[in-house]
Amino acid sequence: EAQVTQNPRYLITVTGKKLTVTCSQNMNHEYMSWYRQDPGLGLRQIYYSMNVEVTDKGDVPEGYKVSRKEKRNFPLILESPSPNQTSLYFCASSLASGGPYQETQYFGPGTRLLVL
Amino acid sequence: GNSVTQMEGPVTLSEEAFLTINCTYTATGYPSLFWYVQYPGEGLQLLLKATKADDKGSNKGFEATYRKETTSFHLEKGSVQVSDSAVYFCALSRTTDSWGKFQFGAGTQVVVTP
Repeated sequence: EAQVTQNPRYLITVTGKKLTVTCSQNMNHEYMSWYRQDPGLGLRQIYYSMNVEVTDKGDVPEGYKVSRKEKRNFPLILESPSPNQTSLYFCASSLASGGPYQETQYFGPGTRLLVL
Repeated sequence: GNSVTQMEGPVTLSEEAFLTINCTYTATGYPSLFWYVQYPGEGLQLLLKATKADDKGSNKGFEATYRKETTSFHLEKGSVQVSDSAVYFCALSRTTDSWGKFQFGAGTQVVVTP
Protein backbone atom coordinates (compact mmCIF):
# COMPACT_ATOMS: atom_id res chain seq x y z
CA GLU A 1 0.00 0.00 0.00
CA ALA A 2 1.32 3.42 -1.01
CA GLN A 3 1.71 5.51 2.09
CA VAL A 4 3.60 8.06 4.14
CA THR A 5 4.34 6.95 7.68
CA GLN A 6 5.35 9.04 10.65
CA ASN A 7 6.66 8.01 14.03
CA PRO A 8 5.85 8.58 16.76
CA ARG A 9 2.20 9.55 16.41
CA TYR A 10 2.10 11.15 19.83
CA LEU A 11 4.97 12.55 21.87
CA ILE A 12 5.22 14.40 25.16
CA THR A 13 8.63 15.80 25.99
CA VAL A 14 10.29 18.50 28.05
CA THR A 15 11.99 21.71 27.01
CA GLY A 16 15.50 21.18 25.67
CA LYS A 17 15.38 17.42 25.17
CA LYS A 18 16.37 16.64 21.61
CA LEU A 19 13.89 14.63 19.58
CA THR A 20 13.46 13.27 16.08
CA VAL A 21 10.22 12.61 14.23
CA THR A 22 10.69 10.14 11.42
CA CYS A 23 8.96 10.23 8.05
CA SER A 24 9.12 7.53 5.43
CA GLN A 25 7.40 7.06 2.06
CA ASN A 26 7.24 3.99 -0.18
CA MET A 27 6.22 5.70 -3.43
CA ASN A 28 9.70 6.60 -4.69
CA HIS A 29 8.83 10.28 -4.47
CA GLU A 30 11.54 12.86 -4.96
CA TYR A 31 9.81 15.68 -3.08
CA MET A 32 9.18 15.60 0.67
CA SER A 33 8.05 18.29 3.06
CA TRP A 34 7.27 18.99 6.71
CA TYR A 35 4.41 21.14 7.98
CA ARG A 36 3.06 22.19 11.31
CA GLN A 37 -0.63 22.76 11.88
CA ASP A 38 -1.82 25.22 14.49
CA PRO A 39 -5.37 26.45 15.15
CA GLY A 40 -6.25 29.50 13.11
CA LEU A 41 -2.99 29.35 11.16
CA GLY A 42 -3.58 26.39 8.89
CA LEU A 43 -0.52 24.48 7.74
CA ARG A 44 2.82 26.21 7.58
CA GLN A 45 5.75 24.69 5.77
CA ILE A 46 8.87 24.06 7.84
CA TYR A 47 11.32 22.51 5.37
CA TYR A 48 11.13 20.74 2.07
CA SER A 49 13.40 18.58 -0.02
CA MET A 50 13.41 18.33 -3.80
CA ASN A 51 15.61 15.22 -3.75
CA VAL A 52 18.35 13.41 -1.82
CA GLU A 53 20.77 15.88 -0.23
CA VAL A 54 18.68 18.85 -1.44
CA THR A 55 16.74 20.66 1.26
CA ASP A 56 15.43 24.19 1.65
CA LYS A 57 13.59 26.31 4.18
CA GLY A 58 9.88 26.81 4.21
CA ASP A 59 8.15 29.66 6.00
CA VAL A 60 8.85 28.59 9.61
CA PRO A 61 12.23 26.78 9.78
CA GLU A 62 13.50 28.28 13.05
CA GLY A 63 14.21 25.65 15.69
CA TYR A 64 14.08 22.72 13.26
CA LYS A 65 16.57 20.71 11.25
CA VAL A 66 16.12 18.14 8.52
CA SER A 67 18.25 15.78 6.51
CA ARG A 68 17.65 13.77 3.36
CA LYS A 69 20.24 11.05 3.10
CA GLU A 70 17.93 8.52 1.49
CA LYS A 71 15.11 9.06 -0.93
CA ARG A 72 12.46 7.43 1.24
CA ASN A 73 13.25 9.12 4.58
CA PHE A 74 13.02 12.72 5.72
CA PRO A 75 13.40 13.06 9.51
CA LEU A 76 12.53 16.24 11.38
CA ILE A 77 14.89 17.10 14.23
CA LEU A 78 14.16 19.42 17.13
CA GLU A 79 17.52 19.87 18.85
CA SER A 80 16.22 21.93 21.75
CA PRO A 81 12.42 21.87 21.76
CA SER A 82 10.49 24.72 23.31
CA PRO A 83 6.82 24.99 24.28
CA ASN A 84 6.04 27.11 21.20
CA GLN A 85 6.86 24.03 19.10
CA THR A 86 3.86 22.22 20.57
CA SER A 87 1.87 21.45 17.47
CA LEU A 88 0.55 18.85 15.05
CA TYR A 89 3.18 17.92 12.49
CA PHE A 90 2.61 16.47 9.04
CA CYS A 91 5.03 14.99 6.58
CA ALA A 92 4.13 14.85 2.88
CA SER A 93 5.65 13.59 -0.34
CA SER A 94 5.09 13.89 -4.06
CA LEU A 95 6.70 13.33 -7.39
CA ALA A 96 8.84 16.22 -8.58
CA SER A 97 8.12 16.55 -12.25
CA GLY A 98 10.50 19.45 -12.71
CA GLY A 99 7.90 21.11 -14.86
CA PRO A 100 5.74 24.11 -14.06
CA TYR A 101 2.99 22.11 -12.39
CA GLN A 102 3.12 20.87 -8.83
CA GLU A 103 2.30 17.23 -8.38
CA THR A 104 -0.18 16.00 -5.77
CA GLN A 105 1.17 15.73 -2.23
CA TYR A 106 0.40 12.68 -0.09
CA PHE A 107 0.27 13.31 3.63
CA GLY A 108 1.18 11.19 6.61
CA PRO A 109 -1.22 10.71 9.53
CA GLY A 110 0.40 13.40 11.70
CA THR A 111 2.47 13.56 14.88
CA ARG A 112 1.06 15.38 17.86
CA LEU A 113 3.85 16.92 19.92
CA LEU A 114 3.54 18.47 23.36
CA VAL A 115 6.56 20.26 24.78
CA LEU A 116 6.33 20.98 28.51
CA GLY B 1 5.30 37.13 -0.59
CA ASN B 2 2.84 34.47 -1.59
CA SER B 3 -0.27 33.96 0.52
CA VAL B 4 -3.67 32.31 0.60
CA THR B 5 -6.78 33.75 2.25
CA GLN B 6 -9.89 31.69 2.77
CA MET B 7 -13.13 32.38 4.55
CA GLU B 8 -13.30 31.67 8.22
CA GLY B 9 -15.49 28.98 9.63
CA PRO B 10 -17.15 27.15 10.96
CA VAL B 11 -19.66 26.94 8.17
CA THR B 12 -22.77 25.08 9.28
CA LEU B 13 -25.16 23.73 6.67
CA SER B 14 -28.07 21.38 6.42
CA GLU B 15 -27.79 18.27 4.30
CA GLU B 16 -28.43 18.96 0.57
CA ALA B 17 -27.56 22.65 0.91
CA PHE B 18 -25.20 24.45 -1.47
CA LEU B 19 -21.66 24.99 -0.23
CA THR B 20 -19.23 27.74 -1.24
CA ILE B 21 -15.87 28.36 0.40
CA ASN B 22 -14.06 31.42 -0.85
CA CYS B 23 -10.32 31.36 -1.51
CA THR B 24 -8.16 34.16 -2.87
CA TYR B 25 -4.42 34.21 -3.32
CA THR B 26 -1.43 36.46 -3.83
CA ALA B 27 1.43 35.00 -5.82
CA THR B 28 4.02 35.71 -8.45
CA GLY B 29 3.69 34.00 -11.78
CA TYR B 30 1.17 31.24 -12.34
CA PRO B 31 0.89 28.98 -9.31
CA SER B 32 -0.77 25.61 -9.13
CA LEU B 33 -3.87 25.73 -6.89
CA PHE B 34 -5.28 23.02 -4.67
CA TRP B 35 -8.07 22.17 -2.30
CA TYR B 36 -7.22 19.65 0.39
CA VAL B 37 -9.65 18.11 2.87
CA GLN B 38 -8.94 16.92 6.40
CA TYR B 39 -11.38 14.56 8.08
CA PRO B 40 -11.33 14.35 11.88
CA GLY B 41 -8.16 12.72 13.20
CA GLU B 42 -6.63 12.24 9.76
CA GLY B 43 -4.02 13.78 7.51
CA LEU B 44 -4.85 15.88 4.49
CA GLN B 45 -6.09 14.45 1.23
CA LEU B 46 -6.14 16.14 -2.12
CA LEU B 47 -9.68 17.03 -3.13
CA LEU B 48 -8.99 18.75 -6.45
CA LYS B 49 -6.43 20.89 -8.22
CA ALA B 50 -5.95 23.24 -11.16
CA THR B 51 -2.64 24.07 -12.75
CA LYS B 52 -3.42 26.96 -15.10
CA ALA B 53 -5.84 29.81 -15.55
CA ASP B 54 -9.46 28.87 -16.36
CA ASP B 55 -8.86 25.23 -15.45
CA LYS B 56 -11.68 23.64 -13.48
CA GLY B 57 -10.82 21.00 -10.94
CA SER B 58 -13.55 18.59 -9.87
CA ASN B 59 -13.92 15.57 -7.62
CA LYS B 60 -16.69 13.96 -5.55
CA GLY B 61 -19.18 16.65 -6.60
CA PHE B 62 -16.84 19.49 -5.61
CA GLU B 63 -15.66 22.02 -8.18
CA ALA B 64 -13.30 24.99 -8.27
CA THR B 65 -12.20 27.20 -11.18
CA TYR B 66 -8.80 28.88 -11.38
CA ARG B 67 -9.59 32.58 -11.97
CA LYS B 68 -6.45 34.51 -12.77
CA GLU B 69 -8.25 37.84 -13.19
CA THR B 70 -9.70 37.72 -9.67
CA THR B 71 -6.89 35.58 -8.16
CA SER B 72 -9.50 33.21 -6.78
CA PHE B 73 -10.18 29.50 -6.49
CA HIS B 74 -13.54 29.17 -4.76
CA LEU B 75 -14.76 25.71 -3.80
CA GLU B 76 -18.39 24.74 -4.49
CA LYS B 77 -20.63 21.75 -4.06
CA GLY B 78 -24.25 21.69 -5.07
CA SER B 79 -25.65 19.32 -2.44
CA VAL B 80 -23.62 18.49 0.66
CA GLN B 81 -23.88 15.36 2.75
CA VAL B 82 -23.13 14.74 6.41
CA SER B 83 -20.00 12.89 5.27
CA ASP B 84 -18.65 16.18 3.82
CA SER B 85 -18.12 17.50 7.35
CA ALA B 86 -14.40 18.25 7.48
CA VAL B 87 -11.84 21.04 7.36
CA TYR B 88 -11.05 22.33 3.88
CA PHE B 89 -7.74 23.97 2.97
CA CYS B 90 -6.93 26.05 -0.06
CA ALA B 91 -3.26 25.95 -1.09
CA LEU B 92 -0.87 27.11 -3.78
CA SER B 93 2.53 26.10 -5.04
CA ARG B 94 4.95 26.38 -7.92
CA THR B 95 5.20 30.13 -8.08
CA THR B 96 7.97 31.84 -10.02
CA ASP B 97 10.21 32.51 -7.05
CA SER B 98 9.46 29.50 -4.83
CA TRP B 99 9.54 26.25 -6.72
CA GLY B 100 9.09 23.84 -3.83
CA LYS B 101 7.18 26.00 -1.38
CA PHE B 102 3.58 25.49 -0.46
CA GLN B 103 1.28 28.04 1.13
CA PHE B 104 -1.94 26.93 2.81
CA GLY B 105 -4.89 28.95 3.94
CA ALA B 106 -6.03 28.80 7.55
CA GLY B 107 -8.67 26.20 6.79
CA THR B 108 -12.47 26.33 6.87
CA GLN B 109 -14.38 23.91 9.03
CA VAL B 110 -17.60 22.70 7.47
CA VAL B 111 -20.30 21.07 9.58
CA VAL B 112 -23.21 19.42 7.80
CA THR B 113 -26.23 18.50 9.90
CA PRO B 114 -28.89 15.93 8.95
